[in-house]
Amino acid sequence: DVKVTQSSRYLVKRTGEKVFLECVQDMDHENMFWYRQDPGLGLRLIYFSYDVKMKEKGDIPEGYSVSREKKERFSLILESASTNQTSMYLCASKFRDRVSNEQFFGPGTRLTVL
Amino acid sequence: AQKVTQAQTEISVVEKEDVTLDCVYETRDTTYYLFWYKQPPSGELVFLIRRNSFDEQNEISGRYSWNFQKSTSSFNFTITASQVVDSAVYFCALMGGSARQLTFGSGTQLTVLP
Repeated sequence: DVKVTQSSRYLVKRTGEKVFLECVQDMDHENMFWYRQDPGLGLRLIYFSYDVKMKEKGDIPEGYSVSREKKERFSLILESASTNQTSMYLCASKFRDRVSNEQFFGPGTRLTVL
Repeated sequence: AQKVTQAQTEISVVEKEDVTLDCVYETRDTTYYLFWYKQPPSGELVFLIRRNSFDEQNEISGRYSWNFQKSTSSFNFTITASQVVDSAVYFCALMGGSARQLTFGSGTQLTVLP
């Protein structure tokens, strides 16, 4: 079974802190994604990566950056956390760049920015 | 642009009742894929089904069934004889042939009462 893990289930940070959210998948998937989930808005794509060192902006990239130095790991970075970034963050991965392949999700990180 | 609408924010049923979750989509692509995911309280999204735009056959998997109708741009999900374990948030999602990312609906919170 595909396993996508995220470094923390719950995280509390202060405004202005730099925050790292880590995601690791163990199935050699080329594609990886970061979403945020907010009530009433569903999942919105922040960034995605097709392969190592490749990244593309999603629908809401402002205030975030990403890093993909190794195939299995995709990091989301909040350069200076703000209270409006309090949310659930979900990582996903997918095999190859095929439209039809489903994405596999991690358990999520609930981030609170005080 | 792609859009997915799940008009039902919350649904509450009593165990053993049938329940249908609605999903309406918009896309200009002639080739596209529709997905349903389940998010239990644990937080991890679980893939349920994928359907491509050329296959309008309804699908049944145990107590789950899906009704895809291109004429009304709908991809509805029915749970027969609901159980408490079906309680979750259900997301409908769309990926158009020209897009490289999933567009999610806002989700439907289903609560099945004993």
